[in-house]
Amino acid sequence: AQSVTQPDIHITVSEGASLELRCNYSYGATPYLFWYVQSPGQGLQLLLKYFSGDTLVQGIKGFEAEFKRSQSSFNLRKPSVHWSDAAEYFCAVGLRGGSNYKLTFGKGTLLTVNP
Amino acid sequence: DAGITQSPRHKVTETGTPVTLRCHQTENHRYMYWYRQDPGHGLRLIHYSYGVKDTDKGEVSDGYSVSRSKTEDFLLTLESATSSQTSVYFCAISEPRTSGRGEQFFGPGTRLTVL
Repeated sequence: AQSVTQPDIHITVSEGASLELRCNYSYGATPYLFWYVQSPGQGLQLLLKYFSGDTLVQGIKGFEAEFKRSQSSFNLRKPSVHWSDAAEYFCAVGLRGGSNYKLTFGKGTLLTVNP
Repeated sequence: DAGITQSPRHKVTETGTPVTLRCHQTENHRYMYWYRQDPGHGLRLIHYSYGVKDTDKGEVSDGYSVSRSKTEDFLLTLESATSSQTSVYFCAISEPRTSGRGEQFFGPGTRLTVL
């Protein structure tokens, strides 16, 4: 069964600093990969996704993520963090070729942004 | 935003009482999912549906049942609520025919407290 690891439970950065959130997955093949963001009291919003092709994908709100097959990673980055980026971020993987279309989520990384 | 509503948004109930949560979508998506979110556990799949009257269990299905009599509605029932079912419940939808990788879109959540 596939699994997703987000090694950092909580990250604090200063506004304007760069950000990288880590995500590693365990799966026999390249899965579909997603990043979601959850603001306090809200549902999850899709930030970006990787299916195939260019390993650097762009998402909403200025975020990007890079798929590295050799490291089984899909890290999320942003060059300059805004206070409104404070939220919890979830990495998720989906199976290829399956018919059940389920996602497996990591446990999340909480991002705090200091002024 | 995807047209997904959840009702109620907040509920407080007592141990042993039955509880039904409703997810309603206006997107005509075939797949619907129920998750629970708990601190330190991320999102865990309870049940999902891949069509009217077609449902299957997720990883934490004990104590929960679901029904889907119409494409737009997916009900989650706690037959006899326990304190361990205190959680935030999220509904999600997906349509592989238009997004073949099964990306999911989430509702706003229901906060359930079992006393």
